[in-house]
Amino acid sequence: SQQGEEDPQALSIQEGENATMNCSYKTSINNLQWYRQNSGRGLVHLILIRSNEREKHSGRLRVTLDTSKKSSSLLITASRAADTASYFCATSYGKLTFGQGTILTVHP
Amino acid sequence: SQTIHQWPATLVQPVGSPLSLECTVEGTSNPNLYWYRQAAGRGLQLLFYSVGIGQISSEVPQNLSASRPQDRQFILSSKKLLLSDSGFYLCATGPGGSYNEQFFGPGTRLTVL
Repeated sequence: SQQGEEDPQALSIQEGENATMNCSYKTSINNLQWYRQNSGRGLVHLILIRSNEREKHSGRLRVTLDTSKKSSSLLITASRAADTASYFCATSYGKLTFGQGTILTVHP
Repeated sequence: SQTIHQWPATLVQPVGSPLSLECTVEGTSNPNLYWYRQAAGRGLQLLFYSVGIGQISSEVPQNLSASRPQDRQFILSSKKLLLSDSGFYLCATGPGGSYNEQFFGPGTRLTVL
């Protein structure tokens, strides 16, 4: 069964707004990763947060991890039309297990 | 930096025909290699992974097989395709141990008719 479950399944916002995507998982993890996929392309790694970390930043990305709630969130600030893509969380515990993804559409 | 090549980019095959998808990696040695399948609008399902030449682990029983004849070559095959084999196939590589990030190839879109 899939480990990560993203919420919402789809998100539509205007350029300049912030986008928040959530990921819940069920078992122990070593780390949690977020990936981006443009339509019809391969996945690109965005950020990795270890199980002993609570927050991590990379440019306009902010990831939080709450291991007690088994959840993570990805925040994209000041979104751009080029951020339009699918975003996946993946939990790592011996192997990577991907969630179903959130489709983000940013309107110019 | 490493680069992953996959071919073909797209493929349309009739039911019952054979399949061979190839993945090659540049810029790294002795990588872990992975095959994933992505159904439309869905997440990724791990099909096979390999930690070295000739070493293949299968994650789910299915109509497919994988081989690793060279350190940086990973092949996905089928003797007879099913309709359910349609999907987007992604090859990925990662350093030893799967705790770290993985790098993905551009993918192959397979349609079985």
